[in-house]
Amino acid sequence: DAKTTQPNSMESNEEEPVHLPCNHSTISGTDYIHWYRQLPSQGPEYVIHGLTSNVNNRMASLAIAEDRKSSTLILHRATLRDAAVYYCILRDSGGTSYGKLTFGQGTILTVHP
Amino acid sequence: KAGVTQTPRYLIKTRGQQVTLSCSPISGHRSVSWYQQTPGQGLQFLFEYFSETQRNKGNFPGRFSGRQFSNSRSEMNVSTLELGDSALYLCASSLVNQAHEQYFGPGTRLTVT
Repeated sequence: DAKTTQPNSMESNEEEPVHLPCNHSTISGTDYIHWYRQLPSQGPEYVIHGLTSNVNNRMASLAIAEDRKSSTLILHRATLRDAAVYYCILRDSGGTSYGKLTFGQGTILTVHP
Repeated sequence: KAGVTQTPRYLIKTRGQQVTLSCSPISGHRSVSWYQQTPGQGLQFLFEYFSETQRNKGNFPGRFSGRQFSNSRSEMNVSTLELGDSALYLCASSLVNQAHEQYFGPGTRLTVT
């Protein structure tokens, strides 16, 4: 599985935008970029995914670099409920990964009131 | 629609015993994946089932096994428990094979003494 690199931790203030970076220099052409988050005492939660183009949904935006070697998860207005561990995951849709997600250590996001 | 449910939520076992954990996916979901989460190793993929067939397996010893029933419910079994098996065991379901969105349950907290 291609590897991702994320900062161990980041901090933000409530109602400010948050940009969570992820580096994936060995990404292959069939790798999708997924983001999941895990709130305290809960299972991981799907946030967003993309292949080449930027993506938006009700939770966040995903900005993908033109060379696809990095991406950024954008939370437009952080709330206290967004405090979680955020995981950037690559999954090969063209292979036999099926339902397998390979989690790294993720980024611990702290949101200050 | 009800989410992924896991039973039991908490379990204490003695070293050498065996344990069976259960996962009921979201209605209509046919893929179920299992993960182990520990403070030291993070989230690690155990195996994934689709239509009662194991499609992918992580790097765990043979003491870890699973199965899926015709109603998509899944069980995982750990035999000859070791202290290091103490962990949060999470299952996730998705609608179809290779789905981008996986929905996680709350997990079963297993403590081995």
